[in-house]
Amino acid sequence: GAVVSQHPSRVICKSGTSVKIECRSLDFQATTMFWYRQFPKQSLMLMATSNEGSKATYEQGVEKDKFLINHASLTLSTLTVTSAHPEDSSFYICSALYLAEQYFGPGTRLTVT
Amino acid sequence: KQEVTQIPAALSVPEGENLVLNCSFTDSAIYNLQWFRQDPGKGLTSLLLIQSSQREQTSGRLNASLDKSSGRSTLYIAASQPGDSATYLCAVSNAGGTSYGKLTFGQGTILTVHP
Repeated sequence: GAVVSQHPSRVICKSGTSVKIECRSLDFQATTMFWYRQFPKQSLMLMATSNEGSKATYEQGVEKDKFLINHASLTLSTLTVTSAHPEDSSFYICSALYLAEQYFGPGTRLTVT
Repeated sequence: KQEVTQIPAALSVPEGENLVLNCSFTDSAIYNLQWFRQDPGKGLTSLLLIQSSQREQTSGRLNASLDKSSGRSTLYIAASQPGDSATYLCAVSNAGGTSYGKLTFGQGTILTVHP
């Protein structure tokens, strides 16, 4: 139980375009989901907390207008990277909170050319 | 602000050896502590979760301890195998308020077990 999926697993896009990443809790409902990014050989950095039915809470230094988060249902949160640039290339991982424990998705590798 | 440090950054051992990975955190007001495994290019696999009221947790060849007052945790791996090679991440969840549920990660320990 407590499985989280992400889609797509890998995406390549051109600079200036927008990319949407989905995070789904498959067998439980999650009012809270988290989005992280991970640069090569570095640890996970929390970007934002996504709450169902309300605005996301962003960590300091994360541009909310660039990284749009929508948590429209209890099983789906989306992260849209708007006007992507090469420096946005990274590994994006989501997690969903269930019974006080976070369950992680498999990650999405974003490459901006 | 919570900070999590893991030592060593990298570790290479021969197969069969017992080993210890260390994790320290600056704010002892934690809700729980988790150890994760991450294979290259993959997501996270949860290994062990220790609640703040607990001292240790065991799963198979893995044993994690927690000393909340001193801000330390260790992950002990017995009889290491090449399949244990991965990055091991320690993360703490702070208690209450707006920090509820948030995890702060350490930088990880890259473990290589050679045959």
